[in-house]
Parts: sequence; structure tokens; C-alpha cells
Amino acid sequence: EAGVVQSPRYKIIEKKQPVAFWCNPISGHNTLYWYLQNLGQGPELLIRYENEEAVDDSQLPKDRFSAERLKGVDSTLKIQPAELGDSAVYLCASSHNSPHEQYFGPGTRLTVT
Amino acid sequence: DQQVKQNSPSLSVQEGRISILNCDYTNSMFDYFLWYKKYPAEGPTFLISISSIKDKNEDGRFTVFLNKSAKHLSLHIVPSQPGDSAVYFCAASEGGSNYKLTFGKGTLLTVNP
Repeated sequence: EAGVVQSPRYKIIEKKQPVAFWCNPISGHNTLYWYLQNLGQGPELLIRYENEEAVDDSQLPKDRFSAERLKGVDSTLKIQPAELGDSAVYLCASSHNSPHEQYFGPGTRLTVT
Repeated sequence: DQQVKQNSPSLSVQEGRISILNCDYTNSMFDYFLWYKKYPAEGPTFLISISSIKDKNEDGRFTVFLNKSAKHLSLHIVPSQPGDSAVYFCAASEGGSNYKLTFGKGTLLTVNP
């Protein structure tokens, strides 16, 4: 069974530029999560989807961050414009029957210069 | 304020000995606890979990102990192997329909041959 796929794995951009991350969850997993992980910290939830519906986006900074999950499968997380403080690893995870046991992708490491 | 705390940033043990990783929490609404393992450049991988109705859960070399009155849990790895060297994250959720996982900062375990 293929795991959670994320791309790109690494991204370097200048501040004020836009950036987008893509996630393909495990087949059949209807719940998808985006997490932010700063250096030396644990992952922090940004947004959770149940199928195509964002059911928890309370931690998503909506002034510059947006996300979508069209057709309830793949998902894209966008930052526009990026700031220096956005440098972090962005993790995508998915789950099915057990929401506590989430399967994580390898993450996208973003560096904003 | 950190609701899940891993106070030891790192731990070093000899191969074959026991590794004990500790985690404390402050939110009394947490009722499900998990441990994730993370290798460099990979996403966290689910390791073992425990519900608040239990005080112990065992899976092979890994055992998680929960002390609700002390709001403390620990992960025991016996015997430790060099391949266990990774960052271990403790996570907790409030259960029910709240799927949000709150992570600690992680503990880097190094198992020396």
C-alpha cells in the first residue's frame, strides 16, 4: 500500500512570493490533515478535512494561508505571500477508521529567504 | 502553554538495555495518547497508543504506561536496538469527534551499539 505522498520535498523561495504544497493521501482515507512543524517542535495542526469539507481550520492563518481538497482526495496548501517565519516543514497526514492513528507523509521543507 | 510536555530533549542508551521516554500532560480532557517515531527526512510514524481507560498497552518490544492521576505516560523499549534511534513524539487527543492531536516537542533517542 502506497503511503502519503507529498511534493515538493524541498522548496526555497524569497519572501513575498507564493508557494504551494501538494498531498496525495493513502487510498481510501477520507480524513486529511495539514500540519506545520517548526524546528525543535512537534507538529501543529493547521487544517483537517473530512472528504472535501474543511471541518477544522481554526489554526490556519487565513490572511495568507489557504487550502483546498477538491473531490475529496488530493489536497493543496498555499501560502501567499510567504514570510520569513513560514520556514518550516509542512506535513500532510491521512486517516480512515481510527482518527487517532494518522499516517504522515515525508513533509515539504520550506525555506523562505 | 504546552499541553503535552517532553522534558528530555535527548536520551542515550546502550543496545540491549531499556529505553524509557517520558511525557507529561496538563489537559485533563485528553483521553487518548499516542507515540510516534520519526526518522530524519521522514514523516512521523505511528508506534503505539493507549486509551485513558487502560494503564498499560504492550506491542512487542514497546510498552506504554499511563498514570492518569499524575498526568504522565511513558514509553518503554526493551531491548533497545540501534534501529530504534529516532525522535519520539508523544501526542494526545480529547477523543470523541475531536481528532486534533497535540504533540510534544519530541525526545531524540540514540541507541549505541
